[in-house]
Amino acid sequence: DSGVTQTPKHLITATGQRVTLRCSPRSGDLSVYWYQQSLDQGLQFLIQYYNGEERAKGNILERFSAQQFPDLHSELNLSSLELGDSALYFCASSAKTVPQYFGPGTRLTVL
Amino acid sequence: LAKTTQPISMDSYEGQEVNITCSHNNIATNDYITWYQQFPSQGPRFIIQGYKTKVTNEVASLFIPADRKSSTLSLPRVSLSDTAVYYCLPPSNTGKLIFGQGTTLQVKP
Repeated sequence: DSGVTQTPKHLITATGQRVTLRCSPRSGDLSVYWYQQSLDQGLQFLIQYYNGEERAKGNILERFSAQQFPDLHSELNLSSLELGDSALYFCASSAKTVPQYFGPGTRLTVL
Repeated sequence: LAKTTQPISMDSYEGQEVNITCSHNNIATNDYITWYQQFPSQGPRFIIQGYKTKVTNEVASLFIPADRKSSTLSLPRVSLSDTAVYYCLPPSNTGKLIFGQGTTLQVKP
């Protein structure tokens, strides 16, 4: 158990819909990272937050947005969903400059 | 432009030492190179991190040459349970922490 929690574990939705993925970092970790992993693909960096502020942005689509709240949990919002958005979405937290602890992921299926 | 390259796959047998090399150019000079292990449908797990020369922990060793343009993860005496995907994560000058494409290690009995 990494100490990072993600909810929900599985999410099935339809094209055009909007979903919110939630991540609670390890206690004390100020950084949260979001990654997307499509089937048999590598880890694609989406975005990083540090203590509520956006720190770095990867190839995150305009349809996607994220935020980190004062209690340090983070949410990733995906809208106007397309079939190609089906993937595993991982959150990681860290007290250092790299993602140290990854959550179990949310598996998103867009039908 | 930073580019990170790892072998796509490697095969080994139980008990052998496995070395996986990652090439990474144009990386940040003042931060660590990190390696992760990932099993199917699980989040990546931090294995080891180093800045230069050699680092060893209970799981692996990491060798980093002086120019830091590559790093080699060494797994001693692998077992079947080491079958997984291994990712390197070099430090970035842009803040975008981009993983290598991953090396699928298959350990055979």
